[in-house]
Amino acid sequence: KNQVEQSPQSLIILEGKNCTLQCNYTVSPFSNLRWYKQDTGRGPVSLTIMTFSENTKSNGRYTATLDADTKQSSLHITASQLSDSASYICVVRTDKLIFGTGTRLQVFP
Amino acid sequence: GAVVSQHPSRVICKSGTSVKIECRSLDFQATTMFWYRQFPKQSLMLMATSNEGSKATYEQGVEKDKFLINHASLTLSTLTVTSAHPEDSSFYICSARASGGAGEQFFGPGTRLTVL
Repeated sequence: KNQVEQSPQSLIILEGKNCTLQCNYTVSPFSNLRWYKQDTGRGPVSLTIMTFSENTKSNGRYTATLDADTKQSSLHITASQLSDSASYICVVRTDKLIFGTGTRLQVFP
Repeated sequence: GAVVSQHPSRVICKSGTSVKIECRSLDFQATTMFWYRQFPKQSLMLMATSNEGSKATYEQGVEKDKFLINHASLTLSTLTVTSAHPEDSSFYICSARASGGAGEQFFGPGTRLTVL
């Protein structure tokens, strides 16, 4: 069964700190892996997309990693800002998009 | 990046009425559009996939007669929730893909439906 699991479920950090979100997947066949940011009451916005051969991809303060052997991905946020408060969703594409349940990040001043 | 819009952004209706939600790709032609539903603190759940000019393909458990999808043009898809009930209250999100199976999917901002 195709599944995408994320941890932690929720996370609270102070402004300026770094954090790392985890994603494990059992999806076959694998096409690509995406990280999305979803603000409350809004649609998801793409942060990064990685294919099988890519290990790391950055987008500003966001850095995603992918280990296709262990089927794990992480999203590292550097120097967090209040506006980073949102849900972060790991999505793996096979013949369709398989969504993780997300990590709810709250950044406090 | 490509822009997908939804209208309305939120709607409140009485039980038994029908509600139409529009999804538009503003700067690209979407051969395929997707409709998702998201309950609080849960992930997006795919309801149906529609290709322009053909009937939508519904996911298992989604009633096609209750959730009517029309994809009449390459820039517009509509979702009509017929005879809405309180349990239909949810966040509905559309997504559009430009072309081919490898095309990027862009998400709309979502529509919050509340059925009283």
